[in-house]
Amino acid sequence: AQSVTQLGSHVSVSEGALVLLRCNYSSSVPPYLFWYVQYPNQGLQLLLKYTSAATLVKGINGFEAEFKKSETSFHLTKPSAHMSDAAEYFCAVSEYGNNRLAFGKGNQVVVIP
Amino acid sequence: DTAVSQTPKYLVTQMGNDKSIKCEQNLGHDTMYWYKQDSKKFLKIMFSYNNKELIINETVPNRFSPKSPDKAHLNLHINSLELGDSAVYFCASSQGSGSSSGELFFGEGSRLTVL
Repeated sequence: AQSVTQLGSHVSVSEGALVLLRCNYSSSVPPYLFWYVQYPNQGLQLLLKYTSAATLVKGINGFEAEFKKSETSFHLTKPSAHMSDAAEYFCAVSEYGNNRLAFGKGNQVVVIP
Repeated sequence: DTAVSQTPKYLVTQMGNDKSIKCEQNLGHDTMYWYKQDSKKFLKIMFSYNNKELIINETVPNRFSPKSPDKAHLNLHINSLELGDSAVYFCASSQGSGSSSGELFFGEGSRLTVL
């Protein structure tokens, strides 16, 4: 079964600094990969997704992620953190034909002024 | 209009009670889900329905019973509530079973507290 690993539950970043959240996946077939964001007391919102097209995926709010098959990774980055980026971020994986989306444990991002 | 809406948003109840959470989506999607998010924010799928048919049923106690009266609605009924049922329950929907993208649209969650 597919799965993802996110290390480091809490990530602190200074305002204006690079945001880097790591995600490694495990899948028996080429995966579909997602990053979702959850703001306090809200549901999850899709940031971006990889579905076997371009390996560098651009999402909303200036985020992007790169699919690296050799490293089984799908790390999320944003060049310059903003206070509004403070939220919980989840990496997720699914396989074609399988509606079962498996989530990582999430990263809580704290932005320091 | 909210795409995926859940009611109630907050639910506080005593152990042993029975409660229901309702979910409706106006996106025209064929598939709906229930996810449970625990106190550590971990998200785990519970159930999935496609056109009113149960397609995913994870290892969930029998006290949890989903019901889909039509493809736009998926309700969750919980019998004999236990302390460990305290969590945030998210409803979600997606287009098609065996979807090529697997993108889910989530409701805002229903926070259940069992005392």
